[in-house]
Amino acid sequence: QVQLQESGPGLVKPSETLSLTCTVSGGSIRTYFWSWIRQSAGQGLEWLGQIYPGGSANYNPSLKGRVTMSVDTSKNQIYLKLSSVTAADTAIYYCAREQQLLLGDWGQGTLVSVSS
Amino acid sequence: DIQMTQSPSTLSASVGDRVTITCRASQSVSDWLAWYQQKPGKAPNLLIYKASTLESGVPSRFSGSGSGTEFTLTISSLQPDDFATYYCQQYKSYSTFGQGTKLEIK
Repeated sequence: QVQLQESGPGLVKPSETLSLTCTVSGGSIRTYFWSWIRQSAGQGLEWLGQIYPGGSANYNPSLKGRVTMSVDTSKNQIYLKLSSVTAADTAIYYCAREQQLLLGDWGQGTLVSVSS
Repeated sequence: DIQMTQSPSTLSASVGDRVTITCRASQSVSDWLAWYQQKPGKAPNLLIYKASTLESGVPSRFSGSGSGTEFTLTISSLQPDDFATYYCQQYKSYSTFGQGTKLEIK
């Protein structure tokens, strides 16, 4: 059973870049797509994008180019960067293993607050 | 982008009740529709995909139906473990979620 664990700073200042890591255990990240999703009180669940190791990434157009995803297969990790954050980016951030955007395995989530 | 609208936002019911939650898409998503259950402090859990296919391990009291723009999730006989928040998700064009339906004990 694959397990996912998000990690990163819990507090980010406005206008800075949010950086999170998703560490996967119990299986290789090489053969699956991986998504990032966030959940806030105001916006509910929002899909941020997906990445396939060794392939391309697809991002939610609503994020207007602020999001970047990458992987390190040697560490079995997936990364999320969200630039120019504002208070509206305060949310619980999840990574998930997906098949055709079906989100079958999720991490426990990590809360990120944007505040000065 | 495709907007998803769930109704009701909150549903009060009792153990043993049959309940139905509706999800409407702003344009056709064919049957690229999934349902998730989320409990407080936990990540969502996939219940149904392709509008009506039960994920492995999900009790048969859960069922989904619909295609195009209108979908339903039905729980045939509510159990105590079913009180949670339910979300629909379209995955025809990227992915968007409904705003959720909180199922609470009457």
